[in-house]
Amino acid sequence: AQSVTQLGSHVSVSEGALVLLRCNYSSSVPPYLFWYVQYPNQGLQLLLKYTSAATLVKGINGFEAEFKKSETSFHLTKPSAHMSDAAEYFCAVSESQTGANNLFFGTGTRLTVIP
Amino acid sequence: GAGVSQSPRYKVAKRGQDVALRCDPISGHVSLFWYQQALGQGPEFLTYFQNEAQLDKSGLPSDRFFAERPEGSVSTLKIQRTQQEDSAVYLCASQTGEGWNAQYFGPGTRLTVL
Repeated sequence: AQSVTQLGSHVSVSEGALVLLRCNYSSSVPPYLFWYVQYPNQGLQLLLKYTSAATLVKGINGFEAEFKKSETSFHLTKPSAHMSDAAEYFCAVSESQTGANNLFFGTGTRLTVIP
Repeated sequence: GAGVSQSPRYKVAKRGQDVALRCDPISGHVSLFWYQQALGQGPEFLTYFQNEAQLDKSGLPSDRFFAERPEGSVSTLKIQRTQQEDSAVYLCASQTGEGWNAQYFGPGTRLTVL
């Protein structure tokens, strides 16, 4: 079975500072991993995905994440926070070998950017 | 192109009423998923369709929940005899079904049961 743990339900950073959102996963098979962003009253938007190719994945809006199998982690980073990055971020995992591909989400991290 | 759309965006129901939530996936997407997102939580899987076939309904919380996709495109999630614990945002996502591609989500329907 798969599960995702997002450490820190709220993270605050200053504008221009490094953003680090943590995600650890549990999966019995090689996982596919995703980061989604959710703005208020909107659906989830895909930021980036890991599907067993390069371990460092670059996404939209300057975000990237690194898959570390030894640490079972897939932390999301951005070198310099922008005010528009304020949103809720969800990490998700899916088993790569099943047909359904339904996603298992973490509980989310709300990012606040301080001007 | 057009993304996933859902209607209505907001629905208020009295306890015991039946509701129907609609999802229009991206044209040509084979796979369709429904998720339930409670306040302050991440989305939780409800059910999955491949074309018109419902291949997984293990996440439906009770037999009051029913989903269909009769022609393999538009899907409807129906909740009978709504309860207060059904209050949540219901998200629909679609996927091409080829290889492993990301799911694209709609804006959701916020259901409030009074």
